Amino acid sequence: EAQVTQNPRYLITVTGKKLTVTCSQNMNHEYMSWYRQDPGLGLRQIYYSMNVEVTDKGDVPEGYKVSRKEKRNFPLILESPSPNQTSLYFCASSLSPGGEQYFGPGTRLTVT
Amino acid sequence: AQTVTQSQPEMSVQEAETVTLSCTYDTSESNYYLFWYKQPPSRQMILVIRQEAYKQQNATENRFSVNFQKAAKSFSLKISDSQLGDTAMYFCAFMGWNSGNTPLVFGKGTRLSVIA
Repeated sequence: EAQVTQNPRYLITVTGKKLTVTCSQNMNHEYMSWYRQDPGLGLRQIYYSMNVEVTDKGDVPEGYKVSRKEKRNFPLILESPSPNQTSLYFCASSLSPGGEQYFGPGTRLTVT
Repeated sequence: AQTVTQSQPEMSVQEAETVTLSCTYDTSESNYYLFWYKQPPSRQMILVIRQEAYKQQNATENRFSVNFQKAAKSFSLKISDSQLGDTAMYFCAFMGWNSGNTPLVFGKGTRLSVIA
């Protein structure tokens, strides 16, 4: 089944404790991206990747890192999480930037 | 920078009726894509419809259609024969495509309730 998976689905952590949210797709998509969703703000793009080893900042990249060492994986790294990073996070992939984006199920992150 | 505006935070419609959700955007680009996404209570993001700006014909997917007015920078979504399963948050989104390095930009969403 074609899908985008994210892990974990729920995470509660404390300020400053490094964490990684994994994202994997099995559709051989070149384009992948991360979004955060906050009430009243919609979805905002954090980072995106056009292909392996090619990443770029979205609208809200501060406090986040990404890597794209393999085509299928695009992990989101929070080196020192803060409470303002409490949010719902989505990973998405598509064959090309303008194509249909397949979203993962979301990761609910709470930073206390 | 591109912006997407959805002016209706909440809307409701009777089952089987038609409803139109508004979306306007601001861009200086000539080539781009527009999308409508649906987010039901399960939080899954589902693509409803997609429009390429260079195509004059409005996109249609079953009960969902758009009214794309490029000069007015307007991209409204019409849902015909509304069903209870259409209850969800709807997001309008823009993506430019000149150099390939333009992020996807979402509006703040419209919460649609379909009433039996």
